[in-house]
Amino acid sequence: GEKVEQHESTLSVREGDSAVINCTYTDTASSYFPWYKQEAGKGLHFVIDIRSNVDRKQSQRLIVLLDKKAKRFSLHITATQPEDSAIYFCAASRNNNNRIFFGDGTQLVVKP
Amino acid sequence: GGIITQTPKFLIGQEGQKLTLKCQQNFNHDTMYWYRQDSGKGLRLIYYSITENDLQKGDLSEGYDASREKKSSFSLTVTSAQKNEMAVFLCASSKTVSNERLFFGHGTKLSVL
Repeated sequence: GEKVEQHESTLSVREGDSAVINCTYTDTASSYFPWYKQEAGKGLHFVIDIRSNVDRKQSQRLIVLLDKKAKRFSLHITATQPEDSAIYFCAASRNNNNRIFFGDGTQLVVKP
Repeated sequence: GGIITQTPKFLIGQEGQKLTLKCQQNFNHDTMYWYRQDSGKGLRLIYYSITENDLQKGDLSEGYDASREKKSSFSLTVTSAQKNEMAVFLCASSKTVSNERLFFGHGTKLSVL
């Protein structure tokens, strides 16, 4: 089955800098790539997604890039703020199939 | 907006005990999920349900049962709790089963003595 790997288990940046979290996947049929954020003691909260028909998507300070050839996708958070501190999970699934496979998470710390 | 409510928030059990976790959603979503989250790990799918009375096994269904008797509720049973087991169980829902964002509850933290 699909295996999603997050390369950074922890990431520390200074407030105002950019943060980049990288993920790879194995299933060439995967076509939907959501990102979720988890704050302490809470469930996951959807932040942004990208589908395989595009290679870039932006929502305010969040940018997602997708490289289908390399089976790699990444989340870029620009102008980071302390409230961006959380665990971020990348995930992948096939079209018309909500069996979503998650990475192990990246703990992002934004230092003031 | 809607909300997903998981009960209880904390569950302490004994080895061999049968334990039930409950989840309610008021989004009127068709599909509901149970995930297990171990410390430092991603989520693993235990069971999901496409609609009322439907059940589909995930990757980690052994040792668990699930029940979707109403569209709004989805319960998970640990059939025999394992000693020293510790995990967070997350319930989620989505509008349909086809590549839609998931909405999560806050989780039930299980500890087995």
